[in-house]
Amino acid sequence: SQTIHQWPATLVQPVGSPLSLECTVEGTSNPNLYWYRQAAGRGLQLLFYSVGIGQISSEVPQNLSASRPQDRQFILSSKKLLLSDSGFYLCAWSVRQWAGAQYFGPGTRLLVL
Amino acid sequence: GQQVMQIPQYQHVQEGEDFTTYCNSSTTLSNIQWYKQRPGGHPVFLIQLVKSGEVKKQKRLTFQFGEAKKNSSLHITATQTTDVGTYFCAGLDYKLSFGAGTTVTVRA
Repeated sequence: SQTIHQWPATLVQPVGSPLSLECTVEGTSNPNLYWYRQAAGRGLQLLFYSVGIGQISSEVPQNLSASRPQDRQFILSSKKLLLSDSGFYLCAWSVRQWAGAQYFGPGTRLLVL
Repeated sequence: GQQVMQIPQYQHVQEGEDFTTYCNSSTTLSNIQWYKQRPGGHPVFLIQLVKSGEVKKQKRLTFQFGEAKKNSSLHITATQTTDVGTYFCAGLDYKLSFGAGTTVTVRA
């Protein structure tokens, strides 16, 4: 069966510090991968998606970046965090791009102080 | 661009009662998906609707896709405390766009 992992589960970072969140998927090959951010009590904002190794599409211009160094690994990064980067970051995967179910990881709660 | 709106934002329900949450898109959709997020958890896929006018049931949950494929609804009968959480719809146009969700609380 397929599983998706995210770490860390929670993170408290000072403004201006770097960020690296990791997401890995097991039990499937060539997944479509997505990074979402969810502000407290709000919906899901798509940040990045990837259809393959090294292929990243950005949905929202911001100080975040994403990379996919391996087939089942998706990394979200920032060189300098802003207060507005606080939120719940969710990684998801799907078999088909956009169509069909997206399976979410447990998420990382980021608080920037 | 594509927008998906959900109403109501909050739904307070007496245990045992029925309620409906609605999802409306500014564009015609290829399909619509529904997810449930329990408090403190992550979204979990519930169902996908593809055909115009399609109706699907999962136990006490009934999902409907509008004839024009621009709206959808989720109806829950005999609400239970296990129904607590936020229900998101997500519509597929050129990409998948999530609504802001309906957060459901249940009074025992």
